[in-house]
Amino acid sequence: SYELTQSPSVSVSPGQTARITCSGDALPKKYTYWYQQKSGQAPVLVIYEDSKRPSGIPERLSGSTSGTMATLTISGAQVEDEADYYCYSSDSSGNHRVFGGGTKLTVL
Amino acid sequence: EVQLLESGGGLVQPGGSLRVSCAASGFTFSNYAMSWVRQAPGKGLEWVSVIGGSGTDTYYADSVKGRFTISRDNSKNTLYLQMNSLRGEDTALYYCAKVPVAVVQLERSWYFDVWGRGTLVTVSS
Repeated sequence: SYELTQSPSVSVSPGQTARITCSGDALPKKYTYWYQQKSGQAPVLVIYEDSKRPSGIPERLSGSTSGTMATLTISGAQVEDEADYYCYSSDSSGNHRVFGGGTKLTVL
Repeated sequence: EVQLLESGGGLVQPGGSLRVSCAASGFTFSNYAMSWVRQAPGKGLEWVSVIGGSGTDTYYADSVKGRFTISRDNSKNTLYLQMNSLRGEDTALYYCAKVPVAVVQLERSWYFDVWGRGTLVTVSS
């Protein structure tokens, strides 16, 4: 099977930059997607195709990739950005669609 | 506004069966693939299955292959997941999600752009 690896938690103060990483062997060949899930709510797409932002998502959220690592950057993090963040992608064959284990972002 | 409303969850015994549904509105249902994603209590997200807009192409996660069947009724704008031979590890909140393509192909990237609020399936004796 295929795995995407995320750090379990990231903590920043309001206004600081938060970086959430996701590593996987197939990321150089496959797009990465990012989802935000606030407590008790359904996931929301915040980044698609590595770096594109859906309408309505604040510009302070951005995505990038380099080699086998994808990064979600939240510039000037705000308290309302507190959530679990999941990356999503597939292995090189496309047979396995996986989410990372999730990163809990704390802003305080 | 795109809306997805899941229903049909509940308590089922190990080895039992259950069918969950997802009613879609706000978009042309048959033009889009649909998927199920689940989340065990306190755990992360797990992709379960996807079906193309026409209903002919279906794919499953290894963990449910042979036990779960995804289907859709485009005349009713409804997505289904038939779950058989249920196990304790199938206990989860099952989300319905829209996929912004009509045809899903394994070799291509696709994703979930809109999610429902989920329906809880509990497998326990």
